Amino acid sequence: GQQVMQIPQYQHVQEGEDFTTYCNSSTTLSNIQWYKQRPGGHPVFLIQLVKSGEVKKQKRLTFQFGEAKKNSSLHITATQTTDVGTYFCAGTNDYKLSFGAGTTVTVRA
Amino acid sequence: DGGITQSPKYLFRKEGQNVTLSCEQNLNHDAMYWYRQDPGQGLRLIYYSQIVNDFQKGDIAEGYSVSREKKESFPLTVTSAQKNPTAFYLCASSQTGMDDIQYFGAGTRLSVL
Repeated sequence: GQQVMQIPQYQHVQEGEDFTTYCNSSTTLSNIQWYKQRPGGHPVFLIQLVKSGEVKKQKRLTFQFGEAKKNSSLHITATQTTDVGTYFCAGTNDYKLSFGAGTTVTVRA
Repeated sequence: DGGITQSPKYLFRKEGQNVTLSCEQNLNHDAMYWYRQDPGQGLRLIYYSQIVNDFQKGDIAEGYSVSREKKESFPLTVTSAQKNPTAFYLCASSQTGMDDIQYFGAGTRLSVL
């Protein structure tokens, strides 16, 4: 079945630095969604990408959908303590959504 | 949160006991979902329903049961057949189908006594 792999599993970042988390699928996706889960909280929708090569920005967050629609990335610039949490990608294929295992981000002040 | 209410927040199950987790939404969404979250494993789909009186098994349905008698409600029963029920359970809903944005409840944390 469809699998969505996310790397790295953990990301320890110095405050002010940039980092990227990656999402890869074994199949072509119709869209990809990104969610953020704060510690002790529940996943909250961030963004959805639909088009091949699409790039969307939300302040310091940049989301990209690969040309082949099999991978995606989330890049955060100038990391802040408010960025702490787990970031999940979720890919849709044949109207079924599969979540990656998430990247858990911790920030060193 | 966001129109999805899960209760209780914490639940304890005794050996051989069935327990039911509640999920109610007031977003008028057609589709509802139950996920199980274990550390390091992301979200795994247990059951989903795209219309009242109809539901489908997800990837890990064994030991669980659901009903969808009302559009607003999608309770999950963890049966005694589920041998490892300790996890964080999340209910979600979306406008129509699984490719829509999903809105999550605050979750129920289930532990075994």
